[in-house]
Amino acid sequence: DTAVSQTPKYLVTQMGNDKSIKCEQNLGHDTMYWYKQDSKKFLKIMFSYNNKELIINETVPNRFSPKSPDKAHLNLHINSLELGDSAVYFCASSLLSGGNEQFFGPGTRLTVL
Amino acid sequence: DQQVKQNSPSLSVQEGRISILNCDYTNSMFDYFLWYKKYPAEGPTFLISISSIKDKNEDGRFTVFLNKSAKHLSLHIVPSQPGDSAVYFCAAREQGAQKLVFGQGTRLTINP
Repeated sequence: DTAVSQTPKYLVTQMGNDKSIKCEQNLGHDTMYWYKQDSKKFLKIMFSYNNKELIINETVPNRFSPKSPDKAHLNLHINSLELGDSAVYFCASSLLSGGNEQFFGPGTRLTVL
Repeated sequence: DQQVKQNSPSLSVQEGRISILNCDYTNSMFDYFLWYKKYPAEGPTFLISISSIKDKNEDGRFTVFLNKSAKHLSLHIVPSQPGDSAVYFCAAREQGAQKLVFGQGTRLTINP
């Protein structure tokens, strides 16, 4: 049974479209994260939610909006997609906020054409 | 400004020998360091960690060494096995901070 799952695994879309990536964790963790792995391969945190409350919001364009309907889900909605948004997006969770051991989903490869 | 760097994009090691992966950091406020392992088409998985109050932590074939004065840590895998072939990420957390800062990863290939 998958601990942290993301859908879709691959997403190919046109510039200007709006798309969402869904994430669910069944570990009972309190904190969830979104990371972006850019072309230089660095994993950079975008957002973090603890018990549905936003606690980290890095310098990310307003076009990116996370939504946490409950502590097991953290979805990422992206408006007006741009070429530079092409990347692999990883969802993760941890038992505690800032938790050292984070559990990652398999990633969503987003390609904007 | 990348605070955590892994300067070797790839490393190739013979099976049974020691693999040494390196990581450098610039932020002296980092107090906790982790290594993650990533297979293709999967997310990173936690491997081993070390607190800044220690200089070594061992878990089976994996040992992490921390040199605070040099702002350097390394992961030793011995003996290396084919299943160790993966991308290894170094990560660090600043004291009291909520987030981890990751390096760009090193691809380790273990040759039979």
